[in-house]
Amino acid sequence: QVQLVESGGGVVQPGRSLRLSCAASGFTFSSYGMHWVRQAPGKGLEWVAVISHDGRNKYYADSVKGRFTISRDKSKNTLHLQMNSLRAEDTAVYYCARDGRVVTLNLSFDYWGQGTLVTV
Amino acid sequence: DIQMTQSPSSLSASVGDRVIITCRASQGITNDLGWYQQKPGKAPKRLIYAASNLQSGVPSRFSGSGSGTEFTLTISSLQPEDFATYYCLQHNSYPPTFGQGTKVDIK
Repeated sequence: QVQLVESGGGVVQPGRSLRLSCAASGFTFSSYGMHWVRQAPGKGLEWVAVISHDGRNKYYADSVKGRFTISRDKSKNTLHLQMNSLRAEDTAVYYCARDGRVVTLNLSFDYWGQGTLVTV
Repeated sequence: DIQMTQSPSSLSASVGDRVIITCRASQGITNDLGWYQQKPGKAPKRLIYAASNLQSGVPSRFSGSGSGTEFTLTISSLQPEDFATYYCLQHNSYPPTFGQGTKVDIK
């Protein structure tokens, strides 16, 4: 079965960096685009970034563009989010999620990890 | 960005009630709309994709309808495990955007 397990969250001071990871299993990782979605405490859901199945295409929310970088390691079936210049408003639970369609990005999310909390 | 407006933002209902949640898009999104359920402390779970298709394993009391700018999620007979927050998501164009959520609690 599809499993997504995030790690790397924690408490960090404003202006510092943090790197999140998401270990994927139970499906062909290299065939799916992958997303990061976040949720501030007590708030709604906000899409953060997406990377295509082959890693060639990456898109970001305006709120994180230029500060966050999404990447993937196909040899380890792992998704990453490098977060630099962190701000208080980046405080949230960060979820990784699989894109809802094989190969071609669909921008929906069919499976989610359990999330990792980042506190700035 | 496409704005998604959900209504109501919260509702109180009893077990067995029929519940309808509405989502309106600021521009047409064909049927690129999904519905998600989130329970406290848990990740969202997809219920409906492509506006009206039931995700595998989701009970048939959940249904979705609509296209263009108006969409609805219907729970035909509310069960105890359905008390949660529900979100719509448009994925027609970047950035994908969620509605603000509808919290369904016990009357």
